[in-house]
Amino acid sequence: AQSVSQHNHHVILSEAASLELGCNYSYGGTVNLFWYVQYPGQHLQLLLKYFSGDPLVKGIKGFEAEFIKSKFSFNLRKPSVQWSDTAEYFCAVNPNTNAGKSTFGDGTTLTVKP
Amino acid sequence: KAGVTQTPRYLIKTRGQQVTLSCSPISGHRSVSWYQQTPGQGLQFLFEYFSETQRNKGNFPGRFSGRQFSNSRSEMNVSTLELGDSALYLCASSLMGGGQETQYFGPGTRLLVL
Repeated sequence: AQSVSQHNHHVILSEAASLELGCNYSYGGTVNLFWYVQYPGQHLQLLLKYFSGDPLVKGIKGFEAEFIKSKFSFNLRKPSVQWSDTAEYFCAVNPNTNAGKSTFGDGTTLTVKP
Repeated sequence: KAGVTQTPRYLIKTRGQQVTLSCSPISGHRSVSWYQQTPGQGLQFLFEYFSETQRNKGNFPGRFSGRQFSNSRSEMNVSTLELGDSALYLCASSLMGGGQETQYFGPGTRLLVL
């Protein structure tokens, strides 16, 4: 069975600080990897995804993530956060053969202080 | 293209009742997945439907069931509601639910069981 672990449950940063959220997964085969964001009162939105190729992927709003296969990790980064990045962030994986069944991490709540 | 829509957005029920939630996927998408989101358990996969057939199922009791219609719209039913069923129920759609696809999420139905 696949599993996803997000190490930080709650992160508090000041504006302009750099962000890195950890995500590790466990799965015996090829996976697709995702980061989703859920702003307060809004639905899940895709930030970025990795299917194959360049392990450094860039997403919306200045976010990027790096897939390190040897470490089973897919950490999310942003060089300079803004107050509007306050949200909950979810890492997710699904088997490369079935996009319909995703496993999510517990989520990380990011609070950015103005 | 319109996004994934879910109805109703909010629902209040009492223990023992049953409830039906509806999801309309993005036009052309044939795979529909359902997830339960709670503060304690996070996002958990319920089931996935493709071409009117349940293709994957998560670890939920038989009180949770679903179906998909020929137009890809899906319904989810929970019978004999329990307090612990209070959650945000999310629906997601993708083209075929196959490899290297992205799921797009709806706004969810928030269910409160009293």
